[in-house]
Amino acid sequence: QVQLQESGPGLVKPSETLSLTCTVSDYSIDRGYYWGWIRQPPGKGLEWIGSIYYSGSTYYNPSLSSRITISVDTSKNHFSLKLNSVTAADTAVYYCARDNGSGSYGGWFDPWGHGTLVTVSS
Amino acid sequence: DIQMAQSPSSLSASVGDRVTITCRASQSISTFLNWYQQKPGKAPKLLIYAESTLQSGVPSRFSGSGSGTEFTLTISSLQPEDFATYYCQQSYTTPYTFGQGTKLEI
Repeated sequence: QVQLQESGPGLVKPSETLSLTCTVSDYSIDRGYYWGWIRQPPGKGLEWIGSIYYSGSTYYNPSLSSRITISVDTSKNHFSLKLNSVTAADTAVYYCARDNGSGSYGGWFDPWGHGTLVTVSS
Repeated sequence: DIQMAQSPSSLSASVGDRVTITCRASQSISTFLNWYQQKPGKAPKLLIYAESTLQSGVPSRFSGSGSGTEFTLTISSLQPEDFATYYCQQSYTTPYTFGQGTKLEI
């Protein structure tokens, strides 16, 4: 069954760029589906960041779109998130998940990675 | 953005109880509504998608209903493993948005 695993630094300095990768196992990304990023600040709720199709088509949350880039590498069967100019408000557990929607609508998330805590601090 | 509001924010219940959680959308979202369960330190788990379709492997005591702007998640007979936080999520349009969560406590 499909498994997802986030990886990347757990500590990022303010104003720098947060970079995470989600490696997908037991399923080839280029078979289809969108793939998404969702984050959860400590003790708070969930926020959708954006989703990408294997072809590279992306949908971003407008609240973050000026700072984010989501990319896909089908040869490595992974997709990535870059969030620049981070502040303490970007401290969160970052999850990757398969987005079962059609891009701009219909998306539910399953399965999810375990999540990775990224702390923004000097 | 479509705002999602859950009620109550927290709920105390006992094993065997029937529990209902409500999710309201700021505009009509047809049946584009999904429910997740999250336990401490774990990733959310999809329970129900498209308002009432039970995800594979989810016990039948979970059910979803509603349309338009008001939706409910019902647990027919609470089990010890059901004590968790529940989130609704609209998938009518991006940006996808989640409710603030309902913490179900013993």
